[in-house]
Amino acid sequence: EVQLLESGGGLVQPGGSLRLSCAASGFTFSSYAMSWVRQAPGKGLEWVSTISGTGGTTYFADSVKGRFTISRDNYKNTLFLQMNSLRADDTAVYYCAKGHIGAYNYFDPWGQGTLVTVSS
Amino acid sequence: EIVLTQSPATLSLPPGARATLSCRASQSINVNLAWYQHKPGQAPWLLIYDASNRATGIPARFSGGGSGTDFTLTISSLEPEDFAVYYCQQRYSWPLTFGGGTKVEIK
Repeated sequence: EVQLLESGGGLVQPGGSLRLSCAASGFTFSSYAMSWVRQAPGKGLEWVSTISGTGGTTYFADSVKGRFTISRDNYKNTLFLQMNSLRADDTAVYYCAKGHIGAYNYFDPWGQGTLVTVSS
Repeated sequence: EIVLTQSPATLSLPPGARATLSCRASQSINVNLAWYQHKPGQAPWLLIYDASNRATGIPARFSGGGSGTDFTLTISSLEPEDFAVYYCQQRYSWPLTFGGGTKVEIK
């Protein structure tokens, strides 16, 4: 069974940094692209970033480009999201998601999410 | 950026009713569209990919259709567990984008 467990969320001040992790199990981690998707309070889903299975290719939403970095450790089956220069509008539940077997940029399945709150 | 517009924003229906949700893309995306179900406090769940293919384990009452710019998700007979928010998502081009969601609520 595929399991994705996010961690690292919390309260951070504007301008601060936070590193999210997503521990994966139940599949060959290095064979799949992985993504981060977020949901701000009361809002819809917003794609944040995607990384290829090897880690050699990354994509970012314009809203986080230059501030967020996505990476992965294929030996430890872990996905990361380094978030710098955080702003109030980065407040959201952050989900990690595995790329679908048929198309890497569909999301299947998703983790339960971790809450990031940016506030002074 | 491809904008996905979902309608209606809210759909109020009784259990057993047929639900039809719409997703319109700002440009042609062929069949590069997925549908997700999201319940409060839970992880979103892939229902349909490539416009009309049910994901693994998804009941047959869920069906998707459309191509180009107009897509539909149909739930043939609403079960109590189907009341949730539904999102469409395109993978035709970067950045990946979601629609604003349709809330299916119990009438």
